[in-house]
This record gives sequence, structure tokens and C-alpha cells, in this order.
Amino acid sequence: QVQLVESGGGVVQPGRSLRLSCTASGFTFSTYAIHWVRQAPGKGLEWVALISSDGSTEDYADSVKGRFTISRDNSKNTLYLQMNSLRAEDTAVYYCARDIVGGESEWGQGTLVTVSS
Amino acid sequence: QSALTQPASVSGSPGQSITISCTGTSNDVGGYKYVSWYQQHPGKAPKLMIYDVSYRPSGVSNRFSGSKSGNTASLTISGLHAEDEADYYCSSYTGSSAPYVFGTGTKVTVL
Repeated sequence: QVQLVESGGGVVQPGRSLRLSCTASGFTFSTYAIHWVRQAPGKGLEWVALISSDGSTEDYADSVKGRFTISRDNSKNTLYLQMNSLRAEDTAVYYCARDIVGGESEWGQGTLVTVSS
Repeated sequence: QSALTQPASVSGSPGQSITISCTGTSNDVGGYKYVSWYQQHPGKAPKLMIYDVSYRPSGVSNRFSGSKSGNTASLTISGLHAEDEADYYCSSYTGSSAPYVFGTGTKVTVL
């Protein structure tokens, strides 16, 4: 079955960097655009970034533009989110997701990132 | 890109019907058919309930239905069950450089 598994979360100090990974299985990863979506504790969902199926196109929310970079390695069925210059307001559960507005939507279980000194 | 506007909470008794609204603009909800609805129980990942405004994925109860009028999309839950108590989020394609947006979320309480 389709699976998306995030990893790499943890506690990091403000201003530092962290890289999240999302490993996919059960579908042809290289044919799907993939998203990162986050949810701060007790808050709603926030779309973060999107990368096209072949990695040629990236889009970002204004709140992370210039600090976060989305990338993928289709040979490893893996999506990444490089997060630099982290701020307290980046504290959230980060989900990777496929097709968030379509009928083939699938989400991982999320990984928690805590930015704190 | 501002979040789509949803009521903070909606409640109903078992067996009743409730409707959750999701208001955007002509640049998102009103401009595209790509509106979806998610259900999220505490500590769990969101689950797709409706896509393309009114389509149900396989396995989702037909008690859930979606519609859209102008810049406002709606999710109706008919015959409310205790297990429907959860947070619900709408989402829409926007066509902008930040091409997706979520709603503010609605907590559904089954009385």
C-alpha cells in the first residue's frame, strides 16, 4: 500500500538548520508532485512547499521562502526539506503529502520539529 | 496568501446534519474546482474526505458531501455519528506562486 514516512525531526536551536526526509513506497514516486505541510501545536494546517515530479519546479509559502529548500531523489524514492535559519514559529509537525487537493491524496504520519533554545 | 475562512466550531446531535463553510476569493475557491476537505482526529494525520469540490474517495461514507457556490465551499455531514467528532479543514488550489492554501479549521463536536 501507499506509504509516506517522514524522519529527521527533533529539537534545534533558533538560527540552526535541520533536514527532513520523506521516504515513499507503494507507488511510482517519480510520477507525483509532493508537498510539505506543517501544523504548529494546537494550530491549523499550513502549506509549506511543493516540488514537481521531476524536481524541476519548486514553490514555497512566503513564510519559508529563502530559508527552506525542497528537493527529491527519485532514485531513492525520497523527498527532502532543508530548513535553515530556523525560528520559534517554525515549530510544528511536518507532513509530506501527495496530491493534497486531488483524489489520490496520501499523507505521512508527520515528524515534529521543535525550535527552542 | 491568506488562509481560507472557516467557522471555529460547529456542533450537532447524533443523527443531525451539519454544514461547514469555507470562504475564499475568486483567486482560490471561486476560481477552481480543486477544493478538498480533510478530517483530522487528535494526534493523527489528515484524512481526505472530499476532493474536486464534491467527489468522495473510495471508502469515505456517503454521509459526507461537498458543494461550492461562488467563493464559498461547503462540507455537509448527514446523520452525525460520534466518530465524526474531529477537526475539519478545507484546502484549495490558488494558481499563484504559493499555489495551495488551507482553511482555518473547524472543530466539530457531537453533542
